[in-house]
Amino acid sequence: EAGVTQFPSHSVIEKGQTVTLRCDPISGHDNLYWYRRVMGKEIKFLLHFVKESKQDESGMPNNRFLAERTGGTYSTLKVQPAELEDSGVYFCASSQTETSGPHLAGELFFGEGSRLTVL
Amino acid sequence: EDQVTQSPEALRLQEGESSSLNCSYTVSGLRGLFWYRQDPGKGPEFLFTLYSAGEEKEKERLKATLTKKESFLHITAPKPEDSATYLCAVQARSARQLTFGSGTQLTVLP
Repeated sequence: EAGVTQFPSHSVIEKGQTVTLRCDPISGHDNLYWYRRVMGKEIKFLLHFVKESKQDESGMPNNRFLAERTGGTYSTLKVQPAELEDSGVYFCASSQTETSGPHLAGELFFGEGSRLTVL
Repeated sequence: EDQVTQSPEALRLQEGESSSLNCSYTVSGLRGLFWYRQDPGKGPEFLFTLYSAGEEKEKERLKATLTKKESFLHITAPKPEDSATYLCAVQARSARQLTFGSGTQLTVLP
């Protein structure tokens, strides 16, 4: 079974440019999350999709970040325009939907991350 | 605001030298506490879920325990391949997201 795949693994861009990160979750996983780790900080939540719907985007830092999930399959995270403080590692994670009970956000399969460097 | 504090930041052990990692948390109603392992250049790998105080989970040389304020990850007779960063995260009952700690970087020397 293929895991969560992310592309690109590393992107280096100039301040003001645009970058689009892509995540392919495990097939059949309805839940898709974006998290990021900026230098020296903890991994922090950005947003959560269930299929194609955004369930929680409370972690998105500002309107320079736009996430989409086309047809409930892969997801993209666009940063436009990029700023220096956006540098970090962006992780995508997915999980199955529970058949019963409240949502359990923690048993996630993570991708290897996309490292973003903004110069 | 939910908070997770892990200690120590880094730990070096000799092979076979057992020890424990600590995760202290404050959360407005715990839905679950999660332990992950992260190797360099990789994403976090799920290890355990703990739901309530007194619960314990085991996997090979690892055992996770939970109280109302903290969780411990006990490593018994570690091997060099156990070297990694161990992350703790919590989910509040009202949340659909995880709050992570900064991790403990474990190095096991042969």
